[in-house]
Amino acid sequence: AQSVAQPEDQVNVAEGNPLTVKCTYSVSGNPYLFWYVQYPNRGLQFLLKYITGDNLVKGSYGFEAEFNKSQTSFHLKKPSALVSDSALYFCAVREVGTYKYIFGTGTRLKVLA
Amino acid sequence: SQTIHQWPATLVQPVGSPLSLECTVEGTSNPNLYWYRQAAGRGLQLLFYSVGIGQISSEVPQNLSASRPQDRQFILSSKKLLLSDSGFYLCAWSRETENTEAFFGQGTRLTVV
Repeated sequence: AQSVAQPEDQVNVAEGNPLTVKCTYSVSGNPYLFWYVQYPNRGLQFLLKYITGDNLVKGSYGFEAEFNKSQTSFHLKKPSALVSDSALYFCAVREVGTYKYIFGTGTRLKVLA
Repeated sequence: SQTIHQWPATLVQPVGSPLSLECTVEGTSNPNLYWYRQAAGRGLQLLFYSVGIGQISSEVPQNLSASRPQDRQFILSSKKLLLSDSGFYLCAWSRETENTEAFFGQGTRLTVV
């Protein structure tokens, strides 16, 4: 079965510093990987995806993610964090051969002013 | 452009009462449709998904059911709510192809009292 893991419940970072939110995956075949952000009492917003090609994927709001096949990781990054980036972040994989999206448990990002 | 509508935004229901949550998608045809539940602001649990009218796949046995009476309409129902049904319910849609992301509605906060 396909799965993703987000090892950190919470990440704290100072405003202006780079941020990384970690995600590792377990899939058979080529992975389709996604990052989403959720603000309180709202739905999930799509940030970026990796399907194939360049290992560095750029997305919305200055976020990017690095796909690493040998480490089976897909970490979310941003060079300079903003207080407004504080939210809940989810990594997801689309299960090959089905139509299901499997989500990680989420990482709460807190950017401190 | 495509939009997804989910209502109501909040709902307080007594134990044992019925439930009907509705989700509609505009601007696309034959979408894949999903119901997720999020407990305590963390991980997402896939409840149901549908790849076409009348085609429903259930992921978790429970007292909830889903129906897709029209191509872009997805309904989550219960005949008798339990306290444990409280949570944040999210509807989502995606295109048929595997390498596309899912788009989420704004969610329904259900409190069973």
